[in-house]
Amino acid sequence: NAGVTQTPKFRVLKTGQSMTLLCAQDMNHEYMYWYRQDPGMGLRLIHYSVGEGTTAKGEVPDGYNVSRLKKQNFLLGLESAAPSQTSVYFCASTLRANTGELFFGEGSRLTVL
Amino acid sequence: RKEVEQDPGPFNVPEGATVAFNCTYSNSASQSFFWYRQDCRKEPKLLMSVYSSGNEDGRFTAQLNRASQYISLLIRDSKLSDSATYLCVVTFSGGYNKLIFGAGTRLAVHP
Repeated sequence: NAGVTQTPKFRVLKTGQSMTLLCAQDMNHEYMYWYRQDPGMGLRLIHYSVGEGTTAKGEVPDGYNVSRLKKQNFLLGLESAAPSQTSVYFCASTLRANTGELFFGEGSRLTVL
Repeated sequence: RKEVEQDPGPFNVPEGATVAFNCTYSNSASQSFFWYRQDCRKEPKLLMSVYSSGNEDGRFTAQLNRASQYISLLIRDSKLSDSATYLCVVTFSGGYNKLIFGAGTRLAVHP
């Protein structure tokens, strides 16, 4: 039972480098989300998608882009990484948006030097 | 003011103790409420929903007070395995049913 899988789990970048985080879910969920989690702060929504081919901005979208070309995949891109983007990134999915039950991936720990 | 606020703790309690956490929310239009549990360096997982009438799941009891805009989580007979961070989650209506996470309350249960 894979559920929600994130790759990579860990990454160290230099300022200005780019990278893509991949989120894959095998539960046929419509809704997918990217959050970041920083010490002392709750999970903050970066971008989300309500279905294949759709994306929308969350609370903290600056510096990130996303794509959802296939229903099962939701990609988060950093075009020019900054130290402020050092964080733990969580992908989540859910079948219906009103249930409140999100299924999270294990997280991707990103450090930008 | 944060939309969802929690005491960060840590709450250090002995095994067998009863412990309670509160979470306050600022938006009176909040619709649904949940408690998530997050173990150290792991992903959050849904612990339980919070219903207006209150609800219980084994040793865990969740309650909602809409008038005072807070939810609570009570854990009875604490186990070592209850050590974790407990996240309060509040939802609002919207295109994606916006979920707001609190920063969490850390619980440490010791022998």
